[in-house]
Amino acid sequence: AQTVTQSQPEMSVQEAETVTLSCTYDTSESNYYLFWYKQPPSRQMILVIRQEAYKQQNATENRFSVNFQKAAKSFSLKISDSQLGDTAMYFCAFINAGTYKYIFGTGTRLKVLA
Amino acid sequence: EAQVTQNPRYLITVTGKKLTVTCSQNMNHEYMSWYRQDPGLGLRQIYYSMNVEVTDKGDVPEGYKVSRKEKRNFPLILESPSPNQTSLYFCASSLIRDRGGYNEQFFGPGTRLTVL
Repeated sequence: AQTVTQSQPEMSVQEAETVTLSCTYDTSESNYYLFWYKQPPSRQMILVIRQEAYKQQNATENRFSVNFQKAAKSFSLKISDSQLGDTAMYFCAFINAGTYKYIFGTGTRLKVLA
Repeated sequence: EAQVTQNPRYLITVTGKKLTVTCSQNMNHEYMSWYRQDPGLGLRQIYYSMNVEVTDKGDVPEGYKVSRKEKRNFPLILESPSPNQTSLYFCASSLIRDRGGYNEQFFGPGTRLTVL
């Protein structure tokens, strides 16, 4: 069965610093998609970034980038120049291509300190 | 405005009293899904639908029912709620791209359900 593991339940970072959230997954398939979603205190789920497994280039979205290590089954999220508005729960998610079943991790609660 | 709406946003009910949480999207998305969020467990998929009249179980379908009679609506039904179904529920929708590509899911605002 596919699993997604986020081993850091809570993290904190100083404003303007860089932080990396870890995510590992387990699958026997070779084609899949990975996502990071952000859930601020408002509870609204917002897509941060998406990675397609067959693309070797790491995805980036402004201050957010991923380190995708396919062989290690690792998909970490790096947030540069952290802002107070980045304070949120972050979820890593996975889906195998050709299926419609998403697997989410347990989340990492990130607090950005002023 | 493109959005996913859920109703009600908050609900307190008693064990065994049937309830329905509605979900509607105005983006003409084929794919819709229900999740529950519990502390320490993250989001877990309950049911999903690839299109009208096509639904399938997620990881935690026990105690829930769904239907997809129209493309825009995907209600979640609890026939006989129990306290262990107390949770935060999210509905989501997305386009299904060709060749199995996956777009982002758009999430509703969530429904906080308490079963006494």
